[in-house]
Amino acid sequence: DAGVTQSPTHLIKTRGQHVTLRCSPISGHKSVSWYQQVLGQGPQFIFQYYEKEERGRGNFPDRFSARQFPNYSSELNVNALLLGDSALYLCASSFGPPDEQFFGPGTRLTVL
Amino acid sequence: DQQVKQNSPSLSVQEGRISILNCDYTNSMFDYFLWYKKYPAEGPTFLISISSIKDKNEDGRFTVFLNKSAKHLSLHIVPSQPGDSAVYFCAARRNTDKLIFGTGTRLQVFP
Repeated sequence: DAGVTQSPTHLIKTRGQHVTLRCSPISGHKSVSWYQQVLGQGPQFIFQYYEKEERGRGNFPDRFSARQFPNYSSELNVNALLLGDSALYLCASSFGPPDEQFFGPGTRLTVL
Repeated sequence: DQQVKQNSPSLSVQEGRISILNCDYTNSMFDYFLWYKKYPAEGPTFLISISSIKDKNEDGRFTVFLNKSAKHLSLHIVPSQPGDSAVYFCAARRNTDKLIFGTGTRLQVFP
């Protein structure tokens, strides 16, 4: 069975641009969470979606937004990119919010 | 405000010996704790977890101990193997809330 997939693998953007990151959960999983991992730190929670509804939001500015589609895939959007947005963005899926989360390989975003 | 802390950024252990990774937390409302392992260019992989109603959980070579009064948990790996070399993150949550991760400990197991 395929695990959590994320695209693209790597991305280079310049300040002020917009980026969309994509995540496909494991088949049967209805919850998707997004995390940001800055170098030297642990993953930091951004959003959680379950059954297409936002279930939780971390301490990130409104430039960050996300949505979940009917097939349970998800997109993370970041507007007006800053240098500090450079990080590994991880997507995790689970059957539901309290269940074990399975992580994808991440998207490495570099903002120049 | 770092609610979950891993104060040792790195640990080096000889193959066959025990590896002990430590984690401290500040929020007494956390009721579920997890350990993840992360290899380069891969996402974190779930390793083992423990509920706050227990003080020990064992799975093969991996054992997690929880000391609620000290707000401390540890992961024991015995015997350590070279394939265990990775970054280990502890994480905690309250009910179905978001996972709060520590900063990670890089474990290196040498022959």
